[in-house]
Amino acid sequence: DQQVKQNSPSLSVQEGRISILNCDYTNSMFDYFLWYKKYPAEGPTFLISISSIKDKNEDGRFTVFLNKSAKHLSLHIVPSQPGDSAVYFCAASVDGDMRFGAGTRLTVKP
Amino acid sequence: NAGVTQTPKFRILKIGQSMTLQCAQDMNHNYMYWYRQDPGMGLKLIYYSVGAGITDKGEVPNGYNVSRSTTEDFPLRLELAAPSQTSVYFCASSLVGGAEAFFGQGTRLTVV
Repeated sequence: DQQVKQNSPSLSVQEGRISILNCDYTNSMFDYFLWYKKYPAEGPTFLISISSIKDKNEDGRFTVFLNKSAKHLSLHIVPSQPGDSAVYFCAASVDGDMRFGAGTRLTVKP
Repeated sequence: NAGVTQTPKFRILKIGQSMTLQCAQDMNHNYMYWYRQDPGMGLKLIYYSVGAGITDKGEVPNGYNVSRSTTEDFPLRLELAAPSQTSVYFCASSLVGGAEAFFGQGTRLTVV
């Protein structure tokens, strides 16, 4: 059962514009949500997270929004930079059980 | 600090062989995880552990076994390797559940 879904396999944006990556989940028991960035031949690296008791968390150019009623979260990157080009994974966790989405490949064009 | 160390980086197995993927972390993290990533896909949770002596199944545990006798180590055992187990395997650790997880560089396994 795919409890975390990223329905957009790819996203292309212009440098300086906003990138919005989306994620949906089905398990209402998840209490933490995280975003990871991955380059080829490397392990994922942590970007930002949010607890289920919050609806927004911001860290520099990265902001994560959580809509619990819709079971939806999104990652906003403003402004987007070419170095942000990578695969972004959404993850959701409860009691140590951390599930990942299929990923969205972001390409930021100069 | 080395972080999360996985060995080996690459391995080719024949069908029916067994092997152990090693994972060690030096951050004194309680939680450890094993994932596999098939080409073009996301990470699938195989097993996880919330502390020494405690392990739990994830999404895709069949064909694998784990043990957690120490805080530092979380080996993944493949018994009777099958072509369907060809994948990249990632080990990760986090201090607590829901906290950022640190990943190893991965082990690329091919079963032929």
